[in-house]
Amino acid sequence: QVQLVESGGGVVQPGRSLTVSCAASGFTFSRYGMHWVRQAPGKGLAWVAVISRDGSNKYYGDSVKGRFTISRDNTMNTLYLQMNSLRAEDTAVYYCARIPLGSGTFDYFDNWGQGTLVTVSS
Amino acid sequence: EIVLTQSPATLSLSPGERATLSCGASQNISSNYLAWYQQKPGLAPRLLIFDASSRATDIPGRFTGSGSGTDFTLTISRLEPEDFAVYHCQQYGSSPLTFGGGTKVEI
Repeated sequence: QVQLVESGGGVVQPGRSLTVSCAASGFTFSRYGMHWVRQAPGKGLAWVAVISRDGSNKYYGDSVKGRFTISRDNTMNTLYLQMNSLRAEDTAVYYCARIPLGSGTFDYFDNWGQGTLVTVSS
Repeated sequence: EIVLTQSPATLSLSPGERATLSCGASQNISSNYLAWYQQKPGLAPRLLIFDASSRATDIPGRFTGSGSGTDFTLTISRLEPEDFAVYHCQQYGSSPLTFGGGTKVEI
């Protein structure tokens, strides 16, 4: 079955960097666009970034543009989110999420990981 | 950016009752590209409805999505104990993708 497993979260100081990962299994990873979505404690969901199937197209939400970089390794079936210049307001659970096969870059999410918590605090 | 407003913020109901959740958009959602998700505490969201009214795989028939344009509704015909959760709507008709603030369905 489809599995998405995030890792790499933790506590990081403001201004520092952190990279979170999402290991995919149970499907052909290279055929699917992938997203990062985050949820601040007690808050709603917020879209962060998307990467196309082959990694050639990437788009970001305004709040992270210029600071975060989404990437993927289709040989390792892994999605990444490199987060630089972290701020307190970046504190959230970060979910990786898959969009349906054959869809465009922007779509609904048919599978989600369990999330990894990133806490930005001094 | 399309802003989604969910109402009510909290819905207090009993098992067996009908739940009606609303999601309003600040602009017309292209092709009615609206999804609904269920989220239980400490867990990831689960897809319920896509394209405003199409039920996702293995989602029970008591969940129904409807609406078009700027007004959308998720109806749970008879609440089961496992349905008490937070429900989110999401539009994917235009970039950036946006979510509503959520509706908590509580006992």
